[in-house]
Amino acid sequence: ETGVTQSPTHLIKTRGQQVTLRCSSQSGHNTVSWYQQALGQGPQFIFQYYREEENGRGNFPPRFSGLQFPNYSSELNVNALELDDSALYLCASTLAGGMRETQYFGPGTRLLVL
Amino acid sequence: RKEVEQDPGPFNVPEGATVAFNCTYSNSASQSFFWYRQDCRKEPKLLMSVYSSGNEDGRFTAQLNRASQYISLLIRDSKLSDSATYLCVVNRPGSQGNLIFGKGTKLSVKP
Repeated sequence: ETGVTQSPTHLIKTRGQQVTLRCSSQSGHNTVSWYQQALGQGPQFIFQYYREEENGRGNFPPRFSGLQFPNYSSELNVNALELDDSALYLCASTLAGGMRETQYFGPGTRLLVL
Repeated sequence: RKEVEQDPGPFNVPEGATVAFNCTYSNSASQSFFWYRQDCRKEPKLLMSVYSSGNEDGRFTAQLNRASQYISLLIRDSKLSDSATYLCVVNRPGSQGNLIFGKGTKLSVKP
């Protein structure tokens, strides 16, 4: 497997709540990207963290935020949940985050917002 | 125009068939190209990177045509285990780590 783990595997929340999703990167990988995959769609880039700082962001509102820790684990936080936030959330780690680097995906967290 | 566009699918083929997936991308400045495979309710996994010279890995052949902004994946002698969704992926120029995924094409290989 990829060595990237995510928790929890499944989560149910209601509109307006906040959620924190966690990712543990492959050992030695200092770059993590987060993606949202809605049903029947390809993953959409949310943001990337490199050495604990945001290093790139997709077209997602500020209520999507993240953190990366010195041990290369990371979090995705979503505030004020909306029904459309229901999706599979994937994190992917790379060694240096360059455009040619292979991104290794974790198994994802399935979020359902009711 | 969508940034990465793939055949809508699904493709239903018998074992042993040859199947081709097509993909076009809109940003001519993109430099990195990939095919990922995603099994049902699983994460995407890199199948192969795509190079300008074309590349082959066993039964899988990937081609890139930069002039036409077109990427292809050919699977020969398809197996039941090839059943999955195939995602065409391109990097977003100027944005670190930002991969643009197509919607994916579902392949079902039948006995």
